[in-house]
Amino acid sequence: SQTIHQWPATLVQPVGSPLSLECTVEGTSNPNLYWYRQAAGRGLQLLFYSVGIGQISSEVPQNLSASRPQDRQFILSSKKLLLSDSGFYLCAWSPGITGTQYFGPGTRLLVL
Amino acid sequence: AQTVTQSQPEMSVQEAETVTLSCTYDTSESDYYLFWYKQPPSRQMILVIRQEAYKQQNATENRFSVNFQKAAKSFSLKISDSQLGDAAMYFCAANRDDKIIFGKGTRLHILP
Repeated sequence: SQTIHQWPATLVQPVGSPLSLECTVEGTSNPNLYWYRQAAGRGLQLLFYSVGIGQISSEVPQNLSASRPQDRQFILSSKKLLLSDSGFYLCAWSPGITGTQYFGPGTRLLVL
Repeated sequence: AQTVTQSQPEMSVQEAETVTLSCTYDTSESDYYLFWYKQPPSRQMILVIRQEAYKQQNATENRFSVNFQKAAKSFSLKISDSQLGDAAMYFCAANRDDKIIFGKGTRLHILP
C-alpha cells in the first residue's frame, strides 16, 4: 500500500531563516506531487505541483520554491522566511488517473 | 473557471442523527471526479468519498453517501448516524486536469 511522509511535523523558525520541508511517498511510482498551504480556519491554497522529476509548476508567486530531485521526493524551500509564511503545509500525491489526492500528516510552521 | 461552492460555513447535528452538507460546482469538463474530504482537529486531510461524473449511481461508503445531481451540478454529502468522531471540517472538491479545486469548507459540530 502507499504511504506518504512529511517532516518535520512542527517547525519554529525566525524571520529571514531558510526553510526545507520534505515529503516522500512509498509504494507507488511516478506520482503527481503537490504542496498546499492552509492558514488557520481557512481553505487550502495550492502552492506547487509536479507531474515528474524536475517538472515543477508554481501556482502562487512568492518567496517559496519547490524541487523534485527524485521520483517520490518533493521538497519545499525558502531562502528567507517571512512572517506570512506561517501556516500548515500539506503534501499530497496522486496516481494522476482519477485525480484523487492523498495527503500527508502536514507540517506546522511558525515564523517568529 | 472551475469553482466549488460550499454555502454552509458551519453546521451542527445531534449525535446519531443524519446531516447533509451542500456543495455546488461549476465545470466545463464532460468527465470529472468529485470528492469529499474530511479534516479533523489533527488537520490531516482524509478522503471520505469519491464520485465519478459519468456514473449515475451515487457513491456510498458506510455511513457516508452522496446525492449527485449532474444537471444541477450539485454534490451533497449525507452522514447517517452521526458520531462524535465525525466532527471536522469537510471540503467538497472537483478535479481539473492534474489538480483539485477545493471549496472553502463546512465545519461540522456533533452535539452529544
